[in-house]
Amino acid sequence: EAGVTQSPTHLIKTRGQQATLRCSPISGHTSVYWYQQALGLGLQFLLWYDEGEERNRGNFPPRFSGRQFPNYSSELNVNALELEDSALYLCASSLVRENEQFFGPGTRLTVL
Amino acid sequence: SQKIEQNSEALNIQEGKTATLTCNYTNYSPAYLQWYRQDPGRGPVFLLLIRENEKEKRKERLKVTFDTTLKQSLFHITASQPADSATYLCASPGGYNKLIFGAGTRLAVHP
Repeated sequence: EAGVTQSPTHLIKTRGQQATLRCSPISGHTSVYWYQQALGLGLQFLLWYDEGEERNRGNFPPRFSGRQFPNYSSELNVNALELEDSALYLCASSLVRENEQFFGPGTRLTVL
Repeated sequence: SQKIEQNSEALNIQEGKTATLTCNYTNYSPAYLQWYRQDPGRGPVFLLLIRENEKEKRKERLKVTFDTTLKQSLFHITASQPADSATYLCASPGGYNKLIFGAGTRLAVHP
């Protein structure tokens, strides 16, 4: 069974641009989570989607947004990129009432 | 606010010894705690979950304890191997399916 996949692996952008990151959950999982892991810091919760709806949001500005598609894949958009947005962005999926989250390999976003 | 703290200093141990990692939480009482392993450049991998009414949980060479009085979880790896070298993350529920993660402790097991 395929795990959580994310694309692209690496993304380089300049300040002020927009970035789009993609995630495909494990088959059968309806919940998708996004986390930011900046260098030397712990994972910070960004967003939770389930059944196409945004269910919870972390303490991030509105320029971090996303959506979940009918096939449960998800997209994270970061507008007006700032240097401090450089981080590893991790996507995880789960069955909605299960505690264990399965993580993808992440997208390394570098903002120059 | 809810907070999870892990020892940010790396833990260096000899192969064959038991590694013990600490996770402390403050300002709340989580219903459970999870432990994940993360290798460089990779996503975290779930290892164990322990609930507040469980004192101890084991899985192969791994053992986790949960002390609600001390507000602490201990994660043990017995008979450690160089392949166990990684960063270990502690996580707790932060409400509404959100997980709060500690910064992680890097473990290095030397031959």
